[in-house]
Amino acid sequence: DAGVIQSPRHEVTEMGQEVTLRCKPISGHDYLFWYRQTMMRGLELLIYFNNNVPIDDSGMPEDRFSAKMPNASFSTLKIQPSEPRDSAVYFCASSPDRGRGYTFGSGTRLTVV
Amino acid sequence: RKEVEQDPGPFNVPEGATVAFNCTYSNSASQSFFWYRQDCRKEPKLLMSVYSSGNEDGRFTAQLNRASQYISLLIRDSKLSDSATYLCVVNEPYGQNFVFGPGTRLSVLP
Repeated sequence: DAGVIQSPRHEVTEMGQEVTLRCKPISGHDYLFWYRQTMMRGLELLIYFNNNVPIDDSGMPEDRFSAKMPNASFSTLKIQPSEPRDSAVYFCASSPDRGRGYTFGSGTRLTVV
Repeated sequence: RKEVEQDPGPFNVPEGATVAFNCTYSNSASQSFFWYRQDCRKEPKLLMSVYSSGNEDGRFTAQLNRASQYISLLIRDSKLSDSATYLCVVNEPYGQNFVFGPGTRLSVLP
């Protein structure tokens, strides 16, 4: 298995632009998570899905952030409009069931200038 | 009080040393516990689960103390390749979410 695949690896964009991050979970994993990591706040859960359904989005910072999972093999995290404070590394992770550890993707390093 | 707290570090130790990391969690109903390691500019990777009876994987030993809500990770005979940030992870009861601690950075020096 190729693991969790994220794209792009790096993204530099101007403030106000729309940014879309993509994730392909490990096949057969029913849970998908989006995390954000910064030096100041560490790893923060933004949203997670179970069987393509959003379960908890309480970590999404504000309405500028949205996430979708149209099928079991693909998810997107969209920021519109982007702001400099959104600069961070965004990780996608998947898990086969409750109680097991996650497998993380390589992350997308986002810089908003 | 934060949900998961860890020794702030950094820990700088010589090769071959034994080093221990501590982690405390606030929710007594938490059920699952893990240690992850994260190399610089890389994703976190699962190091080991933590079981109630304690468990060992080579040079690594994890312990859980439910009464004190405390988890530990012991690394024996540390190697240069052990240099990384170690993250304590605790599940949120009744949910799937795992809460990550802030991490403790370890540098093993030659």
